[in-house]
Amino acid sequence: AQSVAQPEDQVNVAEGNPLTVKCTYSVSGNPYLFWYVQYPNRGLQFLLKYITGDNLVKGSYGFEAEFNKSQTSFHLKKPSALVSDSALYFCAVRDGSGGFKTIFGAGTRLFVKA
Amino acid sequence: ETGVTQTPRHLVMGMTNKKSLKCEQHLGHNAMYWYKQSAKKPLELMFVYNFKEQTENNSVPSRFSPECPNSSHLFLHLHTLQPEDSALYLCASSPRDTSEPETQYFGPGTRLLVL
Repeated sequence: AQSVAQPEDQVNVAEGNPLTVKCTYSVSGNPYLFWYVQYPNRGLQFLLKYITGDNLVKGSYGFEAEFNKSQTSFHLKKPSALVSDSALYFCAVRDGSGGFKTIFGAGTRLFVKA
Repeated sequence: ETGVTQTPRHLVMGMTNKKSLKCEQHLGHNAMYWYKQSAKKPLELMFVYNFKEQTENNSVPSRFSPECPNSSHLFLHLHTLQPEDSALYLCASSPRDTSEPETQYFGPGTRLLVL
C-alpha cells in the first residue's frame, strides 16, 4: 500500500535562511512524487514533481526537491526562504506501476519570520 | 486562479439539512476529484470521475453523494451529515485519470461546518 509521511507538523525558519520540509514515502512500484503548496483560503498549487531522471528536481518559486531512493525520501528545499513562502506544504506519492490514486501527506506548516 | 471554481466557499448546515457543493473546471479536463481536508490529517481522496464515470469511491459514507453530469461539473450532495464531517472539501481536475502522473489542479475549497 502507498503511504506518505511528513514528520514535522511545523517548520520555523528565519527569512534568508535555507529551508527543508521533509517527506518520506512507501510504494510497491516506482514512485511518482509531488509537492503542493496551499496558501490561506486557496486550493493546493502544484510546485514540482519527480517521475524519473535527475534526482534533483527544480520547481516553482525557487523550490527544489531531492529524490533519495535508498532513504525513500523526497525533501523539499529552498536556499533562501522568503516571508511569502509561509504556507502549508503537502507531499504526495503515486504508484507508477499502475495505481491511479495519489496519496497525500498530512501537510507541514512553514513559518518564515522576517 | 487555477481554472477550478467551487461554490459556496463557506457553508454552515445542521445535521438534518440537505445541501450541495458545486465544482466547475474551465480547463477542458476529463477527470475530476473530491477530497476532504481535515486539520493535521492527510488529504483524503473521496471520489474520482473520469469521463463522467465514477472510477473511485474510497469507502465514503452514503450521506455523501457525488454527481458528475458532464466533464466540466462535479457536485457533492450532502444529507444528514455529522459534526465530524466538518472540513474543507476540495475539488480537483486533471486531463484524464490514468496511470500517468498528471498534475491535478485544485479549486479553493468549500469550508463546511456541521452543527
